Amino acid sequence: KAGVTQTPRYLIKTRGQQVTLSCSPISGHRSVSWYQQTPGQGLQFLFEYFSETQRNKGNFPGRFSGRQFSNSRSEMNVSTLELGDSALYLCASSTGQGSYNEQFFGPGTRLTVL
Amino acid sequence: GQSLEQPSEVTAVEGAIVQINCTYQTSGFYGLSWYQQHDGGAPTFLSYNALDGLEETGRFSSFLSRSDSYGYLLLQELQMKDSASYFCAVGASGSARQLTFGSGTQLTVLP
Repeated sequence: KAGVTQTPRYLIKTRGQQVTLSCSPISGHRSVSWYQQTPGQGLQFLFEYFSETQRNKGNFPGRFSGRQFSNSRSEMNVSTLELGDSALYLCASSTGQGSYNEQFFGPGTRLTVL
Repeated sequence: GQSLEQPSEVTAVEGAIVQINCTYQTSGFYGLSWYQQHDGGAPTFLSYNALDGLEETGRFSSFLSRSDSYGYLLLQELQMKDSASYFCAVGASGSARQLTFGSGTQLTVLP
């Protein structure tokens, strides 16, 4: 079974621009979660999508948004980029059902904001 | 809110046993899980404890005490490839999948 894929792997943007990142979950997984990883703040939860609906949201500003398509693929968008948005953005997929699911992480997208 | 504390660094030699502790504060508890992340890689799931006690998976074991809000990851017969960051994580209130991660423990295994 193929793992979680994320595109692009690397991205360089300038302040004020916007960016869209893509995540394809493991086949059959309906839940996709997004995390931001930085040296200072560590791994922080952004949001989770399940069956095209945002089910949970972390404590990030409205510039961070996402969506999920009917095939469970997900995108996240960051508008009006700031220098502090430079980070590794990870998505994780799971079945999304039950009290706990092991989360399978993708390789991440390394975003650099100049 | 949720918060987790774990040591920032641990060093051990090949073949040794190392224990990485994690204490947590959370409103609502959906179990304690552990992830491993090599430099430049993605976090990979190691173990999960929903109930008190020890879970063993090969060379790795994980323990949970809910009354003490405490858990640990035990790595036995350390190998060089075990050098990585290890994160404990708890599900946030209302969701098992909204994980709050500790800041990570950098494990260095020396020859």
